[in-house]
Amino acid sequence: QVQLAESGGGVVRPGRSLRLSCAASGFIFSGYAMHWVRQAPGKGLEWVAVISSDGSNKYYADSMKGRFTVSRDNSKNTLYLEVNSLRAEDTAVYYCAKDPRYSAGTISPFYFDYWGQGTLVTVSS
Amino acid sequence: EIVLTQSPATLSLSPGERATLSCRASQRVAGYLVWYQQKPGQAPRLLLDDASNRATGIPARFSGGGSGTDFTLTISSLEPEDFAVYYCQQRTSWPLTFGGGTKVEIK
Repeated sequence: QVQLAESGGGVVRPGRSLRLSCAASGFIFSGYAMHWVRQAPGKGLEWVAVISSDGSNKYYADSMKGRFTVSRDNSKNTLYLEVNSLRAEDTAVYYCAKDPRYSAGTISPFYFDYWGQGTLVTVSS
Repeated sequence: EIVLTQSPATLSLSPGERATLSCRASQRVAGYLVWYQQKPGQAPRLLLDDASNRATGIPARFSGGGSGTDFTLTISSLEPEDFAVYYCQQRTSWPLTFGGGTKVEIK
C-alpha cells in the first residue's frame, strides 16, 4: 500500500535552514508528481509546492518563492523540501502528498490522494 | 489566487443528524472542487473529488454537489467517527488553495 513518511523536522533557530524528506513506498514513485502542504498549529492547510514526476517542473505558492526549494531523487524514492532563512511563521506540520495521476514531466493543478503523517517544524530561538 | 470560504466555521450536531457544509469560491472553479476530512493528530484524508465523486472507501453517507462558485458537502447521518474538520480545495488553477475549514463537533 502507499506509504509516505516525512522526516527532518525539529526545533530550528530563526534564520537557519532545514531540509525535510519524504520517503515513499508502495507505488512507482518516479511516475507521480508530489506536493508539500503545511499546517500551522491550530490553523488550516496551506499548499507549498509541487514537483513533476521527473523533477523538471516545479511550482510554488507565491509566499514560498525564493526560500523554499522542492526536489526529488527518484533513485531513492524520496522527496525533499529545503527551507532557508526560517521564520517563526514557518512553524507548522509539513506534509508530503501524492498526485493521483501517473504522468510524465508536465504538471497541472490537481489534488492529493495520499498524505504522509507530517513532520513538525518549530522555528524558535 | 482563488479564495475559498467555508461556512459555518463550526457545526454542532448530534450523531444521526444531517450535516451540510458550504464552500464558496471567489471565482468559478467549474466542478474542480475537492473535499478532505481531518481528525486531530492525523493527516487529511481525501473524501470527494470533482465536487461529488467519492474516493475509494468513503461511505455513501458522504455526498457533494455544486458547480461554479458554490459547493456543499453533505453527511446524511452523522456517525461518531465523522466528527472532524472538513476542508475544501480547488484544483482549477495555481496556486492550489484550501478553505479555512469547518469543524463538525458533537453537540
